Amino acid sequence: EPEVTQTPSHQVTQMGQEVILRCVPISNHLYFYWYRQILGQKVEFLVSFYNNEISEKSEIFDDQFSVERPDGSNFTLKIRSTKLEDSAMYFCASSDPGQGAQSDGYTFGSGTRLTVV
Amino acid sequence: DAKTTQPNSMESNEEEPVHLPCNHSTISGTDYIHWYRQLPSQGPEYVIHGLTSNVNNRMASLAIAEDRKSSTLILHRATLRDAAVYYCILRDYGNKLVFGAGTILRVKS
Repeated sequence: EPEVTQTPSHQVTQMGQEVILRCVPISNHLYFYWYRQILGQKVEFLVSFYNNEISEKSEIFDDQFSVERPDGSNFTLKIRSTKLEDSAMYFCASSDPGQGAQSDGYTFGSGTRLTVV
Repeated sequence: DAKTTQPNSMESNEEEPVHLPCNHSTISGTDYIHWYRQLPSQGPEYVIHGLTSNVNNRMASLAIAEDRKSSTLILHRATLRDAAVYYCILRDYGNKLVFGAGTILRVKS
């Protein structure tokens, strides 16, 4: 079964440093997403991406966050200057609603655990 | 985003059926009912979704009330691997998923 792959699985970074989280979505999917989950809390939407641009973003996704699809396969989330409160699991997901509502499910990756120290 | 209400937690015995309820009294006509689950230390996983009719797939069944104000996810024979947080989410076609707190399902051997 096709998978969404995320790397690295764990990342520890110093406060103020930049991090890039990487994702390889399912190859024929057209919509890409980043979510995060702070330990013990809900899964929160960050951003959706379609046709090489952001289609929607949440209040969490402020100027320190950016996303990019640098080539035909990777989808990245960059956090410019990390803060302690950015520590969380970050999940990438992809979907292909173009196939119709019956196949309108997201496939999530296993996540990257980001720890900011 | 329309709201859903789920019990905080439920417990089931292994090999027995589990019925996970979800109330969504403010559902709109174009909202699909989606269920996802999240196993410990993993990302959310799609389970099933439907609009009006009951749905079956290899993982579960989804029973939707006639007025669509509630639904039930049915796991026909719970296993220890089904222990997870189950999320009932209303989603208009093409819109983003918005997760609530979900139901923690515990399965006893």
